[in-house]
Amino acid sequence: GENVEQHPSTLSVQEGDSAVIKCTYSDSASNYFPWYKQELGKRPQLIIDIRSNVGEKKDQRIAVTLNKTAKHFSLHITETQPEDSAVYFCAAPKGGSNYKLTFGKGTLLTVNP
Amino acid sequence: EAGVTQFPSHSVIEKGQTVTLRCDPISGHDNLYWYRRVMGKEIKFLLHFVKESKQDESGMPNNRFLAERTGGTYSTLKVQPAELEDSGVYFCASSQDLATWSYNEQFFGPGTRLTVL
Repeated sequence: GENVEQHPSTLSVQEGDSAVIKCTYSDSASNYFPWYKQELGKRPQLIIDIRSNVGEKKDQRIAVTLNKTAKHFSLHITETQPEDSAVYFCAAPKGGSNYKLTFGKGTLLTVNP
Repeated sequence: EAGVTQFPSHSVIEKGQTVTLRCDPISGHDNLYWYRRVMGKEIKFLLHFVKESKQDESGMPNNRFLAERTGGTYSTLKVQPAELEDSGVYFCASSQDLATWSYNEQFFGPGTRLTVL
């Protein structure tokens, strides 16, 4: 089955700096990689996703890169702001399914003003 | 549009008791999922409904857990009898129809925090 490793578990940056969170996966059949953001006391929300037919996707200050050969994908946040502080989860579908997500353990990002 | 809702938000019970969690998906979403996050660990898949049918329950920990989705609308997850290791946050999510090999965003509920003492 799919195994997703996420690093780092915690990340503290100064406002305006960039933040990078990395994930590796094990199932070469996986071809969809969403990132969820969970603010304190709130629900996880999808912030960006990437499919395996592209290597990079960008949405304003957020970007995701995918390296299928190495089986890793990364979340990049530029010009971080205090409201970016949250737990971020990467995920990949298990066993080539299109619904059964395997999540990483999460990264607690703190942006210090 | 209302999002996925879950009830209760918190539940504290004693070992051996029964608890029932409820999830109301986004209206029109045929797909409903249950996940669980144990303290400090990853969010783990429990099961998937398509309408009222269990499509995949491979993630259910054991037979103390029973999920239902009568009528294909809301779903319940019952834990009976509860054990200490069942403590965690139980998330429900829903998504639109899944065409083969396509991916639709899973919208999560706020979760139910279950504490078993």
